[in-house]
Amino acid sequence: DAKTTQPPSMDCAEGRAANLPCNHSTISGNEYVYWYRQIHSQGPQYIIHGLKNNETNEMASLIITEDRKSSTLILPHATLRDTAVYYCTGQGAQKLVFGQGTRLTINP
Amino acid sequence: DAGVIQSPRHEVTEMGQEVTLRCKPISGHNSLFWYRQTMMRGLELLIYFNNNVPIDDSGMPEDRFSAKMPNASFSTLKIQPSEPRDSAVYFCASSLGSGTYGYTFGSGTRLTVV
Repeated sequence: DAKTTQPPSMDCAEGRAANLPCNHSTISGNEYVYWYRQIHSQGPQYIIHGLKNNETNEMASLIITEDRKSSTLILPHATLRDTAVYYCTGQGAQKLVFGQGTRLTINP
Repeated sequence: DAGVIQSPRHEVTEMGQEVTLRCKPISGHNSLFWYRQTMMRGLELLIYFNNNVPIDDSGMPEDRFSAKMPNASFSTLKIQPSEPRDSAVYFCASSLGSGTYGYTFGSGTRLTVV
């Protein structure tokens, strides 16, 4: 399972794009990169995942570097409800292992 | 779909007592995961099942912890005897197949052992 590194905290102004980085230099070729978030004390919520190509869904965009050693989650127009802890993880062998994540605070 | 259902939401018990946490996965999902979350250690994977069979229990802290999945719609995590250091939020998650489309987590059980 890939070891991931994320900044412990970030701030972003409401309405601006929030860009959350993640380093996963040990990720193997067949491991997907997944992003989850956890709002307050709720269970983690799936956001998006990708293997090599950039991905976009209704929640966010995922940019994966060509060497797959890092990725960036983009929340295009952050709202106060996006305040949460965001986890980047590699999924190998059907196991999802979480690191410490980034605590994102959206400021009004 | 009601999502992953965990019970109870909160549990307070005395040290030495047996505690049983319950989980009902999403219908049709064939993989089930138990996680524990504490401030100190974050989210830890305890055990996961595939088609009701335990696949990896390397995260189970010690013999006091046991998990079962008697059928596709029900799983339990039991702690016997419980200790104050077991206090945490326990999450259950389920997924379809290898989880390519993500895991769905329950709301968790907050366990306090006094």
